[in-house]
Amino acid sequence: AQSVAQPEDQVNVAEGNPLTVKCTYSVSGNPYLFWYVQYPNRGLQFLLKYITGDNLVKGSYGFEAEFNKSQTSFHLKKPSALVSDSALYFCAVRDGGVLTGGGNKLTFGTGTQLKVEL
Amino acid sequence: NAGVTQTPKFQVLKTGQSMTLQCAQDMNHNSMYWYRQDPGMGLRLIYYSASEGTTDKGEVPNGYNVSRLNKREFSLRLESAAPSQTSVYFCASKLREDGSNQPQHFGDGTRLSIL
Repeated sequence: AQSVAQPEDQVNVAEGNPLTVKCTYSVSGNPYLFWYVQYPNRGLQFLLKYITGDNLVKGSYGFEAEFNKSQTSFHLKKPSALVSDSALYFCAVRDGGVLTGGGNKLTFGTGTQLKVEL
Repeated sequence: NAGVTQTPKFQVLKTGQSMTLQCAQDMNHNSMYWYRQDPGMGLRLIYYSASEGTTDKGEVPNGYNVSRLNKREFSLRLESAAPSQTSVYFCASKLREDGSNQPQHFGDGTRLSIL
């Protein structure tokens, strides 16, 4: 079974400071990893994904994520936070070793609320 | 670009009432999904439809039914609503369900309260 853990319910950071939102995962095969962001009263929006290749993945709005296979982590980062980055962030994983659609679904973490203050 | 459209946006039901949540996508996607979002639990998959004409259970299907009406539309029905089904429901779509790495596209959700 695949799983995702986001150990922090909330992360607070000052505007202009770097931010990190943590995510660890567990899959039996190769991981496909995703980050989504959710603004109030909206659906989830795709930020970035890791499938294979470079461990540092760049995505939308200046976000990036670092894949670390030995630590089974996929932390979301941004060098300089903005107040407008305040939102709920979800990490998600699927097992890339399962090729067919049946049962190979995306598993989401419980979400981390990011609060960026002036 | 409408993307994924869900109706209604808000609904209040009484226990035992029935209701259908509607979802439509205009991206010519083959696969569609229904999730529920509850505080502290992330998103949990209720049902999905890998392609037109097929539906399968997800993690939490009890108390729900779905219909893939055509390629565009995927509805979720609560036959006899219970307070435990109070939640925010999201519909999502994806080009195809084949183990690929494409992201899912989400609607803005239906906020459902059952009294």
